[in-house]
Amino acid sequence: ETGVTQSPTHLIKTRGQQVTLRCSSQSGHNTVSWYQQALGQGPQFIFQYYREEENGRGNFPPRFSGLQFPNYSSELNVNALELDDSALYLCASSHPGLAGRSYNEQFFGPGTRLTVL
Amino acid sequence: DAKTTQPNSMESNEEEPVHLPCNHSTISGTDYIHWYRQLPSQGPEYVIHGLTSNVNNRMASLAIAEDRKSSTLILHRATLRDAAVYYCILTPGNTPLVFGKGTRLSVIA
Repeated sequence: ETGVTQSPTHLIKTRGQQVTLRCSSQSGHNTVSWYQQALGQGPQFIFQYYREEENGRGNFPPRFSGLQFPNYSSELNVNALELDDSALYLCASSHPGLAGRSYNEQFFGPGTRLTVL
Repeated sequence: DAKTTQPNSMESNEEEPVHLPCNHSTISGTDYIHWYRQLPSQGPEYVIHGLTSNVNNRMASLAIAEDRKSSTLILHRATLRDAAVYYCILTPGNTPLVFGKGTRLSVIA
């Protein structure tokens, strides 16, 4: 069973640029959540996708957007990068639940470290 | 979201038991208590969760107070590999995880 994978591992961008981060969910998982983790802080929820639809969003501006594909892999896109976007971006997938609900045991990938200069 | 309070850091000797406390005095009746940990340079990993009764799994035990206002994660024999940040999280089960700063556990050989 393959775990959650993310690419790239590290990324350096400059202010104003756009970035796309990718995540492959664990086999059999149809729900993907994205989190941002600043240095020294716990992860903060960005949004969740369930069966290709956004299924909840945290307190992040619209320049943070996402996609989920039919194979349940996902992308996180960030436009107009700011210095404060420098962080570790984590993707987590979860087991399918009943009637659209997901159990809360989430399986995290190793993250993508984004540095904005 | 219900809040949790954890010590910033704790230290343990290798092969000794570790008790990591978490206070959650505003827990609601539908909140599950989850523990995740984050090893250095890795994403968080699930450790254990419970609702009212104490729980055991291969990684740890979770002791939940009778009034559910506090809980304790128990590592029975700490190893160097258990050095991590441990997060105590409350959730009704179908909502995103809300992480605090957690407890940084250091294990001394």
